Amino acid sequence: GESVGLHLPTLSVQEGDNSIINCAYSNSASDYFIWYKQESGKGPQFIIDIRSNMDKRQGQRVTVLLNKTVKHLSLQIAATQPGDSAVYFCAENSNYQLIWGAGTKLIIKP
Amino acid sequence: DSGVTQTPKHLITATGQRVTLRCSPRSGDLSVYWYQQSLDQGLQFLIQYYNGEERAKGNILERFSAQQFPDLHSELNLSSLELGDSALYFCASSLHPRLDGTDTQYFGPGTRLTVL
Repeated sequence: GESVGLHLPTLSVQEGDNSIINCAYSNSASDYFIWYKQESGKGPQFIIDIRSNMDKRQGQRVTVLLNKTVKHLSLQIAATQPGDSAVYFCAENSNYQLIWGAGTKLIIKP
Repeated sequence: DSGVTQTPKHLITATGQRVTLRCSPRSGDLSVYWYQQSLDQGLQFLIQYYNGEERAKGNILERFSAQQFPDLHSELNLSSLELGDSALYFCASSLHPRLDGTDTQYFGPGTRLTVL
């Protein structure tokens, strides 16, 4: 069935380095993708989105890349900070529903 | 602060009981979504309401039901509770479902349900 999944459940990154969180999706018809960040004890928070007619979109310290050929989505966080510690979810928006990936936990090493 | 409020924050109850979780969407948002998140798991979409009407249904058990009231707040009712229902329950809201599918959802802080 349709699914959105993540390659790595946990990612450890040195503070100051760049982080790359990956996501695979299976529904080639999906045309809108979103990244959410969930800090411990809080609800998910919207980070950035991208439409399928784009390959790249940049925000503040974050970049989302979309490779439709291999159905792959990635979130890049520049100069990772302790406040970036969280679980990151990718999701695709299909028929007014968000189909969520399993999440990747980002751990920042001092 | 997303502007979405949920009550209560924590709820502890026993198996077989019934509970009601409440959600107030962001001011102006017409659509409400309910999600379940079990420990260290992803989000499971349960149900969506738009302007008082059910719009989409996900993996919601028959023991669970929801509604959205005229003032747009929503309640999720969980009955005949089982141990496995212990989870975080999130509510999210959005302005309205867009025809192009771009529908940023804003999440509340969640209700942590513990069934003993």
